[in-house]
Amino acid sequence: KAGVTQTPRYLIKTRGQQVTLSCSPISGHRSVSWYQQTPGQGLQFLFEYFSETQRNKGNFPGRFSGRQFSNSRSEMNVSTLELGDSALYLCASSRLAGGPGDTQYFGPGTRLTVL
Amino acid sequence: GEDVEQSLFLSVREGDSSVINCTYTDSSSTYLYWYKQEPGAGLQLLTYIFSNMDMKQDQRLTVLLNKKDKHLSLRIADTQTGDSAIYFCAETVDDYKLSFGAGTTVTVRA
Repeated sequence: KAGVTQTPRYLIKTRGQQVTLSCSPISGHRSVSWYQQTPGQGLQFLFEYFSETQRNKGNFPGRFSGRQFSNSRSEMNVSTLELGDSALYLCASSRLAGGPGDTQYFGPGTRLTVL
Repeated sequence: GEDVEQSLFLSVREGDSSVINCTYTDSSSTYLYWYKQEPGAGLQLLTYIFSNMDMKQDQRLTVLLNKKDKHLSLRIADTQTGDSAIYFCAETVDDYKLSFGAGTTVTVRA
């Protein structure tokens, strides 16, 4: 079974631009979560989607948004990019509706660099 | 709180055992996880343990859980050069998100 895939793997943008990242979950998984990883803040939760609905959101500004499609694929968008948005963005999928036993499997990440 | 704590670095000789320690925060966490991250890669799930267990063994990996002290450890037996990576412990918070430690960088020396 294929793992979580993320595209693109690398992106370079300039301040003020916007960017869209894509995540395809493991087949049969319905929940998708996004995390941001930076050297300073470590791994931080962005948001989680299930059945095309954002159920939970982390402590990030409104410039960060996302959506989930009927096939469970998810996209996240960052508008008006800032230098501090440079990070590795990780997508994770899980089988069910979340919950402590619903293991999250991660993709390889998208490395975003903002110049 | 969401401050899962880990030591930042561990250096181990090839063939020895590695022990990575973690202190988590939420006493109601029912599952605790260990993930591995190699350079330029995402997070690979290594193992997890349910909170009503004290120990779980999976090939070279042994997880020990002390729920009273909220202490989790990962032991890697016969450490190999391919085990060089960053190891994250994580707890489930509010039933939907993972809260991670800062990661322990394990360096295996010949």
